[in-house]
Amino acid sequence: KAGVTQTPRYLIKTRGQQVTLSCSPISGHRSVSWYQQTPGQGLQFLFEYFSETQRNKGNFPGRFSGRQFSNSRSEMNVSTLELGDSALYLCASSFTLLTGGTPEAFFGQGTRLTVV
Amino acid sequence: KQEVTQIPAALSVPEGENLVLNCSFTDSAIYNLQWFRQDPGKGLTSLLLIQSSQREQTSGRLNASLDKSSGRSTLYIAASQPGDSATYLCAKLKAAGNKLTFGGGTRVLVKP
Repeated sequence: KAGVTQTPRYLIKTRGQQVTLSCSPISGHRSVSWYQQTPGQGLQFLFEYFSETQRNKGNFPGRFSGRQFSNSRSEMNVSTLELGDSALYLCASSFTLLTGGTPEAFFGQGTRLTVV
Repeated sequence: KQEVTQIPAALSVPEGENLVLNCSFTDSAIYNLQWFRQDPGKGLTSLLLIQSSQREQTSGRLNASLDKSSGRSTLYIAASQPGDSATYLCAKLKAAGNKLTFGGGTRVLVKP
């Protein structure tokens, strides 16, 4: 059974640019969540998507956005990149209580974004 | 106050010793508590999930307990090995949505 796949694994971008990260969940999982991990702030929740709808959103500026497609794959976009956006971005997929599943989260390997 | 706290932030033990990792959380209205392992620069690997109706879960050398009334979970790793060296994170899930709230993690070093 394939795990959560995130692409690309590494990215280097310049301040002011925008970036799109991709996440393919485990087959059958319809919930996809995104997290930012930095040494100073630890793991922080960005947003969660279920059935192409954003259900939850963390405390991040509007430059961070996402979407989910009908096949449950999700993308995250960050516009007008800042140096502070350098981080490991992690995606997790899971079943949900809504569909009667146990919401155990499974994470991908992450995308390491460096903003210079 | 932090919603989820892990103390200590770092721990070093000789090989063979049992590891005890602590996780404290505010708000006993949790749906489940999940423990993860993270190797440097990598993603998170799910170790154990304890649902709110359960008191503990076991997998091999790992055992995790949950005490909702005191807001605590403990991960025990028996007979530690150098390969157990990693950062261990706990996270709570409330029933609404799939948002996990993480502790800061405990970095473990098992010395041969």
